[in-house]
Amino acid sequence: DTAVSQTPKYLVTQMGNDKSIKCEQNLGHDTMYWYKQDSKKFLKIMFSYNNKELIINETVPNRFSPKSPDKAHLNLHINSLELGDSAVYFCASSQVSGLGTGELFFGEGSRLTVL
Amino acid sequence: EDQVTQSPEALRLQEGESSSLNCSYTVSGLRGLFWYRQDPGKGPEFLFTLYSAGEEKEKERLKATLTKKESFLHITAPKPEDSATYLCAVQAIGYNKLIFGAGTRLAVHP
Repeated sequence: DTAVSQTPKYLVTQMGNDKSIKCEQNLGHDTMYWYKQDSKKFLKIMFSYNNKELIINETVPNRFSPKSPDKAHLNLHINSLELGDSAVYFCASSQVSGLGTGELFFGEGSRLTVL
Repeated sequence: EDQVTQSPEALRLQEGESSSLNCSYTVSGLRGLFWYRQDPGKGPEFLFTLYSAGEEKEKERLKATLTKKESFLHITAPKPEDSATYLCAVQAIGYNKLIFGAGTRLAVHP
């Protein structure tokens, strides 16, 4: 029973197109994240939602729009795709407490290739 | 600016050859330091959290330690199945996000 699942696993698309990635967690966590891992393997946070409320929005182009319909789901929509958007996008969740974010549970990633 | 630097970038070991991976960090106030393992084509998998200097955590052949400026991941008598990329991340006080280093790619050969 997958804890954090994201779909699709692979996307190949042309520049200028719009695409979405979906994420669901069944851990009961209240916080979800989108991270981007580039070709150099750096994982950088993009967004974080806590109970459907946006709490972290790093300097990400506004072509990227996250949506959280409920605390178990966090989707990422990308408009007008550019070559530089090619990367692996990871969804993660955690249970925030007084000790901080706690351990993050990651999905398997969605590899986006923009041609 | 909060920053995490890992070294070496890549490490090749023979099976049974112990070694250490380094994670140096600069953070305004450390809430926690995290170690993750990432296998090719997979998401990072949590290993340890360390909260204060002097703290140590162990799991099988792995042992993580923490000082005020760096953390070490010691691998004792590694096996080929320990081959992976090991990622270090820090959380600063007041921020609900992890800042990751670029990772160390470990290859253990029989």
